[in-house]
Amino acid sequence: GAVVSQHPSWVICKSGTSVKIECRSLDFQATTMFWYRQFPKQSLMLMATSNEGSKATYEQGVEKDKFLINHASLTLSTLTVTSAHPEDSSFYICSVGDISYEQYFGPGTRLTVT
Amino acid sequence: QQPVQSPQAVILREGEDAVINCSSSKALYSVHWYRQKHGEAPVFLMILLKGGEQKGHDKISASFNEKKQQSSLYLTASQLSYSGTYFCGTDNDETGSSNTGKLIFGQGTTLQVKP
Repeated sequence: GAVVSQHPSWVICKSGTSVKIECRSLDFQATTMFWYRQFPKQSLMLMATSNEGSKATYEQGVEKDKFLINHASLTLSTLTVTSAHPEDSSFYICSVGDISYEQYFGPGTRLTVT
Repeated sequence: QQPVQSPQAVILREGEDAVINCSSSKALYSVHWYRQKHGEAPVFLMILLKGGEQKGHDKISASFNEKKQQSSLYLTASQLSYSGTYFCGTDNDETGSSNTGKLIFGQGTTLQVKP
């Protein structure tokens, strides 16, 4: 299966600042990656589909101007949380699918906005 | 559209068996099962594709009933390491012809295995 990394593992930022999270596919060229968010004791919620070389597609209710996604290469997608607020504090996880349709998650990034 | 998992929580003794169910109101192309331990990302267990598959490795297996839009995860002779929250993720392609990769997850089933 695909091996996925994320950076940073955790980040604390002040309200109003922006934070960038990287997702890398280490052994698989991914034209598509997915971003999820998970609040404590809740399920994973799909935020957006990151498409290499084109615009991301966002799920209903996700603000595209707040969660900027860039997929500049076949191995890297970035999620930037702009003007972060405490309610954006969450566990952000990316996933990559391999040729067998299996989806593998990165280790996640825990964001805390103070 | 979120699949429904049952039960919400299970407590077992080592060596006991468990079944976790996942039911969708939409036609499914595939069902994905994951286990998540506290503070960690979900770990892939298996995928079942349209066509009514059954799959298994070691003491964990799963089935997919396409007509009933249901999947079940079977844990036999449970071990302490099986503890965690299990999620099913469904890929609901409108055309039913291919995976989209976009998974909609159930609310999770918390499994606790005691010595």
